[in-house]
Amino acid sequence: DVKVTQSSRYLVKRTGEKVFLECVQDMDHENMFWYRQDPGLGLRLIYFSYDVKMKEKGDIPEGYSVSREKKERFSLILESASTNQTSMYLCASSFSNEKLLFGSGTQLSVL
Amino acid sequence: SQKIEQNSEALNIQEGKTATLTCNYTNYSPAYLQWYRQDPGRGPVFLLLIRENEKEKRKERLKVTFDTTLKQSLFHITASQPADSATYLCAPHTGGFKTIFGAGTRLFVKA
Repeated sequence: DVKVTQSSRYLVKRTGEKVFLECVQDMDHENMFWYRQDPGLGLRLIYFSYDVKMKEKGDIPEGYSVSREKKERFSLILESASTNQTSMYLCASSFSNEKLLFGSGTQLSVL
Repeated sequence: SQKIEQNSEALNIQEGKTATLTCNYTNYSPAYLQWYRQDPGRGPVFLLLIRENEKEKRKERLKVTFDTTLKQSLFHITASQPADSATYLCAPHTGGFKTIFGAGTRLFVKA
């Protein structure tokens, strides 16, 4: 069964901590995406990558960075977590921009 | 600026009826539009994709229409069931590698 796996389902961190969210896909997809989802705001694109070591900013990249050293893995990094980064984080992958396959999400709480 | 609008209010319908959800977009001309389903605490799941040269697309009890003149897509679920209760997201393709989603419409189907 093809899937996108996010390393943690729930995560609690303290303000100022460096946070790594990991995402792995097993479908050999070129494109990978990180979104955050907040009530009333819907899904917002943080960063995406269309190839290994390539990355592009989405609509809300501030406070985040990403890493894609291998095709199957796309990491989201919060350099210094803040309370306004408390959110549901969703990773997705696809061959093009069609039919994104999402992971189950990581609910991050920053205290 | 580009904008995607979905009914922010929840849609409540009786089991067996047809649910109709609306997606309106402004300030761009998408080549295609996607619909996803999202259950609470889970990532979105792809349902249907319709291209600009297609007026209608069907999959089992689902039907999507795409009116490029009205800049609108309608998503229908016929013979709705309580298991159809979820949030439904539309994603008109905005160009390039980015997939941008509407905020979604929550559907409740009562038995």
